[in-house]
Amino acid sequence: SQQGEEDPQALSIQEGENATMNCSYKTSINNLQWYRQNSGRGLVHLILIRSNEREKHSGRLRVTLDTSKKSSSLLITASRAADTASYFCATDGGSARQLTFGSGTQLTVLP
Amino acid sequence: NAGVTQTPKFRVLKTGQSMTLLCAQDMNHEYMYWYRQDPGMGLRLIHYSVGEGTTAKGEVPDGYNVSRLKKQNFLLGLESAAPSQTSVYFCASSYDQGGRPQHFGDGTRLSIL
Repeated sequence: SQQGEEDPQALSIQEGENATMNCSYKTSINNLQWYRQNSGRGLVHLILIRSNEREKHSGRLRVTLDTSKKSSSLLITASRAADTASYFCATDGGSARQLTFGSGTQLTVLP
Repeated sequence: NAGVTQTPKFRVLKTGQSMTLLCAQDMNHEYMYWYRQDPGMGLRLIHYSVGEGTTAKGEVPDGYNVSRLKKQNFLLGLESAAPSQTSVYFCASSYDQGGRPQHFGDGTRLSIL
C-alpha cells in the first residue's frame, strides 16, 4: 500500500517561478524523504526531514513537515528547466523501517 | 565510483521464461532493495536484504526470488515470467535501514510478451 500521496499529480510552471508539491501520509513516521527522478533514470535523494523537525533547507529546496496533519511540502524556488522531473515523497515508519513511496508529482518547467 | 549498477538495462521475455536481474553496488552498503515501478505509481518493494546471506519479503514478493551471496550483489529472479511482471525494476542500497537515503540504479525495463 502507498503511504504517501503527492499532490498535484502534474505541475507545469515557467522558468523562474516557484514550484510547490505536497505529500500526505497515513501513519506515524520516523522521517520523510523527497526524491527526484529524471526521465529514464533512477531516483535521486534530495532531502530528509525527521519527525521532530518542522522545516529544512537545501539550496533552492525547502521542505516542511506537519506531523499533526500528516503532510509535507517541497518548495523549489527559482525553478529551472533542469528541474523538470518527477518528485516522490517516501516515508520511513514502523518497526520495519522500510521506505514507502508515493505516486509522484510530474513537474515541467518551461523555458 | 559507479554507485549502483543494474544489468541488463532492457529485456524482452516470453511468458514462462526465466531470467535474473543483477544489481551491484560499490559503496559497501549493508542494505539492498528491489522495487518495481508501474505507470502512475510509486515504487513498490519486492524484496530486500539487510546483509550478506539474508533476504526478506517486501510488499509484492509473489513470483520473484532473490539472493544475496555477496555483500555487493543482489539478484532478482523471475522463475516463470508473466505479463503482469512487465515493469521497470529498480535496485537500491543504503548504509543501514535507519531511515538513511537510498541510492538507486537506473533501472531495468522488462517486457513480458
